[in-house]
Amino acid sequence: AQSVSQHNHHVILSEAASLELGCNYSYGGTVNLFWYVQYPGQHLQLLLKYFSGDPLVKGIKGFEAEFIKSKFSFNLRKPSVQWSDTAEYFCAVNAPNYGQNFVFGPGTRLSVLP
Amino acid sequence: DSGVTQTPKHLITATGQRVTLRCSPRSGDLSVYWYQQSLDQGLQFLIQYYNGEERAKGNILERFSAQQFPDLHSELNLSSLELGDSALYFCASSLHANTEAFFGQGTRLTVV
Repeated sequence: AQSVSQHNHHVILSEAASLELGCNYSYGGTVNLFWYVQYPGQHLQLLLKYFSGDPLVKGIKGFEAEFIKSKFSFNLRKPSVQWSDTAEYFCAVNAPNYGQNFVFGPGTRLSVLP
Repeated sequence: DSGVTQTPKHLITATGQRVTLRCSPRSGDLSVYWYQQSLDQGLQFLIQYYNGEERAKGNILERFSAQQFPDLHSELNLSSLELGDSALYFCASSLHANTEAFFGQGTRLTVV
């Protein structure tokens, strides 16, 4: 079955450390890719999106993601995390060829220690 | 504020009962999605509507149903509720079927 996977269930970092969260998907063809963040007790918010063009996309709050088509990956990065980045991060895929919209990965919980 | 409104914010009900969750999408958005989020199952896609028509169906139980009305708001009906239905139910909307989606604050359902 087609799916979206995220490499880590829980990541713990100290402030100022660099972050990379992995996301892989199994859909071929055209895909639209997203990262969402869910702060404790809140709804999901869009961090960044990729539709086409430059595979390195920049989002809000200093986050960026790189689309590597050959690896079916869309990893999220941030050079220096802050305590306020503590949240759950979800990768999501739109795969119109499969008639599937906004299939989410299982999420990665990020804890940043002050 | 995402512009997606969900009501009620919290709902406590007994097993066997029926509830209706409501979602008003962002102005102009044609597509509405429903998700269930629980601790052990993560974010599960339930169903999607586009301009009043069902577009895609996920892991939605037969006890659950949804619809999107001509004014584009949507309702999710949950019946014969079980303890395991306790979860956060999110609605999201997008302009079209494959543009970015914006999420509401969710309805926390507790079945006792």
